[in-house]
Amino acid sequence: QVQLQESGPGLMKPSQTLSLTCIVSGGSINSGTSDWSWIRQPAGKGLEWIGRIYTSGTTNYSPSLKGRVTISVDTSKNQFSLRLTSVTAADTAVYYCARDSISYSTTYFDLWGRGTLVTVSS
Amino acid sequence: EIVMTQSPAALSVSPGERATLSCRASQSVSSNLAWYQQKPGQAPRLLIYGTYSRATGIPARFSGSGSGTGFTLTISSLQSEDFAIYYCQQYYRWPETFGQGTKVEIK
Repeated sequence: QVQLQESGPGLMKPSQTLSLTCIVSGGSINSGTSDWSWIRQPAGKGLEWIGRIYTSGTTNYSPSLKGRVTISVDTSKNQFSLRLTSVTAADTAVYYCARDSISYSTTYFDLWGRGTLVTVSS
Repeated sequence: EIVMTQSPAALSVSPGERATLSCRASQSVSSNLAWYQQKPGQAPRLLIYGTYSRATGIPARFSGSGSGTGFTLTISSLQSEDFAIYYCQQYYRWPETFGQGTKVEIK
């Protein structure tokens, strides 16, 4: 079955650019039936949707992060990525990649990666 | 954006008892409401979507109800594996938003 696995730097300094990758295994990222999202969770807090990439390659970002976030896909590696610029301590969180259950629509998320902790500290 | 508010923040329940969790939206989300379960150190797992529909493999003791702005997740007879944090999420309007969670603890 399809599985997702995030990877990232772990520890970062303020003002740096965060880059995370989500590898999709057990299925094709380019199947044409699924869109892909990034979601984050600060320690002890709720979940925040960051953005998504559609099967067409177009993207959609949360208004609160727009301008700092970029999501891209590499179909040759069956993975998609998150880039977040100018990080601060407020960006410290567990970052999850997830599969959108409904394509080209607002949706719920039916498959999640295990998450990767990103800590921003000087 | 639509604000989702969950209550209570924490709920103490004995195994075998019923748990009732509430989720309220700041405006109507129709029936576009999902519930997730999260255990420590794990990713959220989809339980319910479309207010009522159980996701694949979810036991029948989990049920959802409500519409508009008020929703409920009921766990009919709590099992040991059900002690976790539960989140609601609306997907009626972009951006999708989540509640802050209800922690179900062992009494």
